[in-house]
Amino acid sequence: AQTVTQSQPEMSVQEAETVTLSCTYDTSESDYYLFWYKQPPSRQMILVIRQEAYKQQNATENRFSVNFQKAAKSFSLKISDSQLGDAAMYFCAYRSTNTGGTSYGKLTFGQGTILTVHP
Amino acid sequence: NAGVMQNPRHLVRRRGQEARLRCSPMKGHSHVYWYRQLPEEGLKFMVYLQKENIIDESGMPKERFSAEFPKEGPSILRIQQVVRGDSAAYFCASSPQGAFYEQYFGPGTRLTVT
Repeated sequence: AQTVTQSQPEMSVQEAETVTLSCTYDTSESDYYLFWYKQPPSRQMILVIRQEAYKQQNATENRFSVNFQKAAKSFSLKISDSQLGDAAMYFCAYRSTNTGGTSYGKLTFGQGTILTVHP
Repeated sequence: NAGVMQNPRHLVRRRGQEARLRCSPMKGHSHVYWYRQLPEEGLKFMVYLQKENIIDESGMPKERFSAEFPKEGPSILRIQQVVRGDSAAYFCASSPQGAFYEQYFGPGTRLTVT
């Protein structure tokens, strides 16, 4: 079974600075998707960024980018020019692409990292 | 295009009562996923449904919990004889076809068992 680990329960950053959130995962599969979701106080889950394992290029979405290290099974999220609205819980998640596997379809989430942004 | 709708947003039940949580997927989406978030934890997969079919229920507790996604109407997550430990936020997500597609989340239902 796949597992996702976020070792930083809390992180903080000054407004306009850069912060990196860590995520590691364990899988025996070669193809899969990785995601970062943001959960603000409203509790709505918002997709921040997605990475496909077969793509070597790191995904980027505006101020958000990832450092995907497949061999190390590491998937960190970098937030540049942090804004007050970035304050939220951030979850790393894994999804299999193996249609014959037992975990097909479901997202496996890490425990989350609470990000605080200081003005 | 309206997003994933869940109702109620907040539900209070006494121990032993039944809880029914509803999820209306986005228009055109035929796949629904339910997740549970206990306080201070990440989301945990419960069940994956297609119209009239349960695809994967490996995350569902064996007793008291059931889910359905009928041909017409919303998906329902039903919890019978609720206990305090069922207090959590329950999220529904939907996708247009299979699991290769993005899952869009609803706002969640917060269940409190007193």
